[in-house]
Order: sequence, then C-alpha cells, then structure tokens
Amino acid sequence: GAVVSQHPSWVICKSGTSVKIECRSLDFQATTMFWYRQFPKQSLMLMATSNEGSKATYEQGVEKDKFLINHASLTLSTLTVTSAHPEDSSFYICSASPGTRSSYEQYFGPGTRLTVT
Amino acid sequence: GQNIDQPTEMTATEGAIVQINCTYQTSGFNGLFWYQQHAGEAPTFLSYNVLDGLEEKGRFSSFLSRSKGYSYLLLKELQMKDSASYLCAVRVDAGNNRKLIWGLGTSLAVNP
Repeated sequence: GAVVSQHPSWVICKSGTSVKIECRSLDFQATTMFWYRQFPKQSLMLMATSNEGSKATYEQGVEKDKFLINHASLTLSTLTVTSAHPEDSSFYICSASPGTRSSYEQYFGPGTRLTVT
Repeated sequence: GQNIDQPTEMTATEGAIVQINCTYQTSGFNGLFWYQQHAGEAPTFLSYNVLDGLEEKGRFSSFLSRSKGYSYLLLKELQMKDSASYLCAVRVDAGNNRKLIWGLGTSLAVNP
C-alpha cells in the first residue's frame, strides 16, 4: 500500500518552455502533498506544501509564479515549471501524506529528472 | 533557525555494524525520521521516533534522545545493498501543516 507515482520520470525541454509534472497517490487519499527538488549530492529541498482544494504554501525563496502547483483532487497534484531555464534542471520529487496532523509518514514518488537545454 | 547535522560520508565493511549520528536544533519537534536513498531514486522510509529510546526493526534500529537533540541509525549485518545515502529529517509544525526539515544525508559505502 501507500504507492505514489510521478509522471514523467524524466523530461528534456528547451529553455523558455513549460513542463508539467504529475504526482498521484494510487491507493490512498493524500490530503497533503509536498514538492521537493534535489541537486546532485545535495539533500532534499522543500519547495512547497499543498493541501487539496487550497493554495500551496511556498518555502522562502521559491517563486510561486514560476513553480505553479495545483492540488485539484485528493489523489493528484501537479507542478508546472514555467519558462524553464537550464538552472531549473534538477530532480523533482513529490511526496504525499494521508493526513495533515494525524499521519506522520510521507510516501515518496520515484522522482522526475528535468533537463533544460 | 533550523539545523540538522550528520556526517557527510562513512565507510564500513560487509557484515559489520555502523552507527550514523544525527543532531538537530529545530523550532519545535514532532518526530524524527530516517530515510534511505539510493542514487537517482527517491527516499524510502526506514524509521520514525517521537519518544526517547530505541526502535528496532530487523537489521535497522533508530535511537532518539529529545533532551540532547540527538538520534542515531544503527545498521547491523551490513550488506552491499546498504550502500546508499541515509537522510535524517525532523518534523516541525508549520502553520496548519507539519513539514520535514532534512539533513544533508550521510553517504555510506559498504565494502566487501
């Protein structure tokens, strides 16, 4: 149980284009989803926390107009990288939690490797 | 501020025991997690401690001392497949949510 999928697993795009990454909880309802990015040999950096039906809460330094997050249902959240640049190339990972306060565990998706050329 | 410290790299021998330490200074505490991450993959959950003491789960054990802001992950009977990065994370309150503050990870190399 507690499987989280991400699509696509990898994507290459040209500078200036937008890329959408999907995160789905397959066998549970995810009240809260988290989006992280990770640069090589570095730890996870939380970008934003999203609750179903409400606006995402972005971490300091993360541009909300550049990284658009939509959590439209209890099983799907999307991250759109708008006007991507080479410095946005990274490993993007989502995680999902069944509850906001009662559940302690985050279940991670397999990640999406974005390369902007 | 929020700060989590763990060693950058460790090396151990197959069949041995290794202890990976983690110290934290955070505003609030709602549990400490250990995750394993193989290169190019997402983290996988290993353990969760919210009360002081030792939690044992097979070859892996995790210890927590809240008064000292200290935890360790103990790996016994090391196997080659245990070569990975081990991430320590502390859960803190953030408004209506709880989020994880992550350490930089400890890269463990298991040698034959």
